[in-house]
Amino acid sequence: KQEVTQIPAALSVPEGENLVLNCSFTDSAIYNLQWFRQDPGKGLTSLLLIQSSQREQTSGRLNASLDKSSGRSTLYIAASQPGDSATYLCAVRPSGGYQKVTFGTGTKLQVIP
Amino acid sequence: GAVVSQHPSRVICKSGTSVKIECRSLDFQATTMFWYRQFPKQSLMLMATSNEGSKATYEQGVEKDKFLINHASLTLSTLTVTSAHPEDSSFYICSARVRQGEAGELFFGEGSRLTVL
Repeated sequence: KQEVTQIPAALSVPEGENLVLNCSFTDSAIYNLQWFRQDPGKGLTSLLLIQSSQREQTSGRLNASLDKSSGRSTLYIAASQPGDSATYLCAVRPSGGYQKVTFGTGTKLQVIP
Repeated sequence: GAVVSQHPSRVICKSGTSVKIECRSLDFQATTMFWYRQFPKQSLMLMATSNEGSKATYEQGVEKDKFLINHASLTLSTLTVTSAHPEDSSFYICSARVRQGEAGELFFGEGSRLTVL
């Protein structure tokens, strides 16, 4: 059974800092990994999707990496802003045609002005 | 990215009544939609997987007669909470996947906050 862990559970940083969020998964047989952000009382917004054959994906100030063999993904946020404050979730989709994804436990980020 | 619309965003109902939540993919066809429930300060709990034109697949412990799911078209799935009770109060979120076999990116609706009095 796939288990997805995110560390830290919560993070507070001053505005402007670069930061890294971590996502670990136990089963490396994955189809893709997706990073989301969730604002309080809202749904999930897709940030980046990395296919199993890819090493990283970039979108603006965000960069996500994937090391499938070690079961790790990181989300790098450059020059953090107060608007980045949210809960960040990673989700792993298994290979083999299965539809269900396993979500991580989430990291709650607070960027202090 | 693709847009998934969920309606209503908030609903309050009396105990014993039924509530329907709609999930629509606005600019793509979703062969598969997922329904989640989220408790405060917790991650998402998958309730069921909905495939267009077929019966939904429910996760263990989810009552299919209580949480009715219909995926009548490639752009619409509905979740009906039947005979709602206060313990059904929760945040329900749907997601849709663009065609199996492709990138497989998931897109989520804005969620529906259900309060049962």
